[in-house]
Amino acid sequence: QKEVEQNSGPLSVPEGAIASLNCTYSDRVSQSFFWYRQYSGKSPELIMSIYSNGDKEDGRFTAQLNKASQYVSLLIRDSQPSDSATYLCAGGGGSQGNLIFGKGTKLSVKP
Amino acid sequence: NAGVTQTPKFRILKIGQSMTLQCAQDMNHNYMYWYRQDPGMGLKLIYYSVGAGITDKGEVPNGYNVSRSTTEDFPLRLELAAPSQTSVYFCASSLDGSNTEAFFGQGTRLTVV
Repeated sequence: QKEVEQNSGPLSVPEGAIASLNCTYSDRVSQSFFWYRQYSGKSPELIMSIYSNGDKEDGRFTAQLNKASQYVSLLIRDSQPSDSATYLCAGGGGSQGNLIFGKGTKLSVKP
Repeated sequence: NAGVTQTPKFRILKIGQSMTLQCAQDMNHNYMYWYRQDPGMGLKLIYYSVGAGITDKGEVPNGYNVSRSTTEDFPLRLELAAPSQTSVYFCASSLDGSNTEAFFGQGTRLTVV
């Protein structure tokens, strides 16, 4: 199993809907997780971090961590066209003290 | 607070030329990283540093070199550019390695022709 896996998408949702992005991870990945948003041609931007089991909410974003099942998810409520981007899941535990990134899921929010 | 600053934003190199990508952070972070991102391939770690004077290879170091003479600066040197080095390069920093979030610079889009 790859260390951090994401469905590459594209995931298409209508404006106003809930977008659900998922990520699974291997045993090598530690318990710190981060979600980044990357617009086309731009750099990754941190939007959420989660360290413990359960849900963490920040505005329209909710991150969920389930350590027993080794998955982390990001829910975007009331999706807007401006949310259209690639979302990168990252976990701690890289042998070089780095985050381990998934390849990203491309989200498209249709007006 | 500027965060992580990278220059240049764009560059075209001819095969065999050399260049240095500059990276500076003003957050007093110990860890700094260089990644490259190719379409559909995710972020690949080139080199990293855990503090001034300490650097080490990442996943794809061939053809690159780095130095870390100060906490703030972490330049990436490309020697003898090859078409395979055409990519987008990102510098990032974090306070405490993989336990804390990483912050990225704006990126450098490099084309080798």
